[in-house]
Amino acid sequence: KNQVEQSPQSLIILEGKNCTLQCNYTVSPFSNLRWYKQDTGRGPVSLTIMTFSENTKSNGRYTATLDADTKQSSLHITASQLSDSASYICVVSVGIYNTDKLIFGTGTRLQVFP
Amino acid sequence: DSGVTQTPKHLITATGQRVTLRCSPRSGDLSVYWYQQSLDQGLQFLIQYYNGEERAKGNILERFSAQQFPDLHSELNLSSLELGDSALYFCASSVGGLANSEQFFGPGTRLTVL
Repeated sequence: KNQVEQSPQSLIILEGKNCTLQCNYTVSPFSNLRWYKQDTGRGPVSLTIMTFSENTKSNGRYTATLDADTKQSSLHITASQLSDSASYICVVSVGIYNTDKLIFGTGTRLQVFP
Repeated sequence: DSGVTQTPKHLITATGQRVTLRCSPRSGDLSVYWYQQSLDQGLQFLIQYYNGEERAKGNILERFSAQQFPDLHSELNLSSLELGDSALYFCASSVGGLANSEQFFGPGTRLTVL
């Protein structure tokens, strides 16, 4: 069964600290993996998209890694800011053709406190 | 601002009623996707249209229907509304119609069914 699991479910950190969010997937055939940031009540915003041949991609203070062998991805946030408080969603694409095969994780809710 | 617009922003209605949500994709995007996000739940893919034609169908109820018009805007129709239909409804758009196309999300429509 195609599944995407994220951990932790929620996370609280202090401003300025680093954190890492995890995503494990059981999806076949794998096409790509995306990380989205979703502020409360707003639409998700894409942070990174990685294919199986990419094992790291950065977007400012956000760095995503992908290990296609172990089917794990992580999102590392450096020097967190209050504005990083949001839900972070991992999405895996099953194959290239079928949009209904985008598998969404339930997200990690990150809260950054001063 | 993703370039995807959705109206209305908020909608409050009663059980049994019918509502229409509207989405305008980014300029140049041919695909429109609809998602439902219930409270504290992950995004659920409902349906995709590509250049006016239905491309993929997800967990969309029979009471729900959608269409994409020649100018590429899309409408999601929800009928015989139930309390459980209360949710955020997001529209996303992409240039291509494949699962590996990057999607840009709108701000969402918050539907409350009383």
